Amino acid sequence: NAGVMQNPRHLVRRRGQEARLRCSPMKGHSHVYWYRQLPEEGLKFMVYLQKENIIDESGMPKERFSAEFPKEGPSILRIQQVVRGDSAAYFCASSVARATYEQYFGPGTRLTVT
Amino acid sequence: GEDVEQSLFLSVREGDSSVINCTYTDSSSTYLYWYKQEPGAGLQLLTYIFSNMDMKQDQRLTVLLNKKDKHLSLRIADTQTGDSAIYFCAEKTSYDKVIFGPGTSLSVIP
Repeated sequence: NAGVMQNPRHLVRRRGQEARLRCSPMKGHSHVYWYRQLPEEGLKFMVYLQKENIIDESGMPKERFSAEFPKEGPSILRIQQVVRGDSAAYFCASSVARATYEQYFGPGTRLTVT
Repeated sequence: GEDVEQSLFLSVREGDSSVINCTYTDSSSTYLYWYKQEPGAGLQLLTYIFSNMDMKQDQRLTVLLNKKDKHLSLRIADTQTGDSAIYFCAEKTSYDKVIFGPGTSLSVIP
């Protein structure tokens, strides 16, 4: 029973390029959450999605960032025109339902912008 | 607003007990959590407590919740070198959003 999978684990992008981060939730989970962890900081909520719907994007920067969770395939966090300040670890979590107590976390994608 | 605070560092000797403290602001939190993060890894849920409980024990881990003071603590008995990690306190708000603290880096001295 595979856990939450994220790829790539490490991603290096030059300023101005696009970064695409993928998250495959645990089997049977239809709720996905994205968090960002800046160096030496805790996790900050970015966005909460269900299949084909964005439920809460209150933590997403207004520009350059977007997320989707299509009917088929993984959830994608997309960062356009990356800047150095986007360098961080991006974690995805999934849960079986909204009201459940637990979110299962993936190993994260470490984005470095050069 | 929503905020979770923790002290950033804690150092203990192997075999001693560790106590990591956390304060939160949302009085309508439903669940409170402790997560462990080892270097380069994701987050592992250690334990959680429902907001209508005041204590939970799970082997070496004891969680105490003081809802009046919005204070949560994690006690690790007989701390081992393998317990060295960053420990995150988190609360699940009434809007089902999980808010994390900045993490406490626990160093265990052999």
